[in-house]
Amino acid sequence: DTAVSQTPKYLVTQMGNDKSIKCEQNLGHDTMYWYKQDSKKFLKIMFSYNNKELIINETVPNRFSPKSPDKAHLNLHINSLELGDSAVYFCASSLARGSYEQYFGPGTRLTVT
Amino acid sequence: GQSLEQPSEVTAVEGAIVQINCTYQTSGFYGLSWYQQHDGGAPTFLSYNALDGLEETGRFSSFLSRSDSYGYLLLQELQMKDSASYFCADPYSSASKIIFGSGTRLSIRP
Repeated sequence: DTAVSQTPKYLVTQMGNDKSIKCEQNLGHDTMYWYKQDSKKFLKIMFSYNNKELIINETVPNRFSPKSPDKAHLNLHINSLELGDSAVYFCASSLARGSYEQYFGPGTRLTVT
Repeated sequence: GQSLEQPSEVTAVEGAIVQINCTYQTSGFYGLSWYQQHDGGAPTFLSYNALDGLEETGRFSSFLSRSDSYGYLLLQELQMKDSASYFCADPYSSASKIIFGSGTRLSIRP
């Protein structure tokens, strides 16, 4: 059983397009996160939801919009994709807000051409 | 600003011991986490130190010194499969934001 799953695993698209990444966790955790990992492997948090409530909203272009329909799902929609959006996006979950252990999904490698 | 500093690369020999350091400057510090990430894979949790001292988990140990704002991950009996990137993280930084260090790429030679 996959604890945290993401779809798609790979996403290749052209500049200006709109795309979505989906994430689901079956761990019963309350908190979910979106991270961006750039080519230098730097992991940066983008958003966090706790029981469907947005609790972390980092300085991210408003082209990025998260949505949590329930506490097991956290999706990321990106409008008007740019070359600089190319990265690996990781979804993660933790038992509660601020838990020191996070469980990461397999990642979505986004390539914008 | 808030930051966690790590060496970018470390090289070691199979069977040896290696230490990966992490110095931090964060507000509201509670503890230090460590994650491992293989190329093409996802970060996986290794350990967490809330208190000063050494925490041992098999071949991996993690150390924290709050007075020095410093911690390290110690890997013993290195195996080729330990070749990966290692990240320290502050999971309780201000406003509940988790901050990751820049990561250390560990390369192991036979």
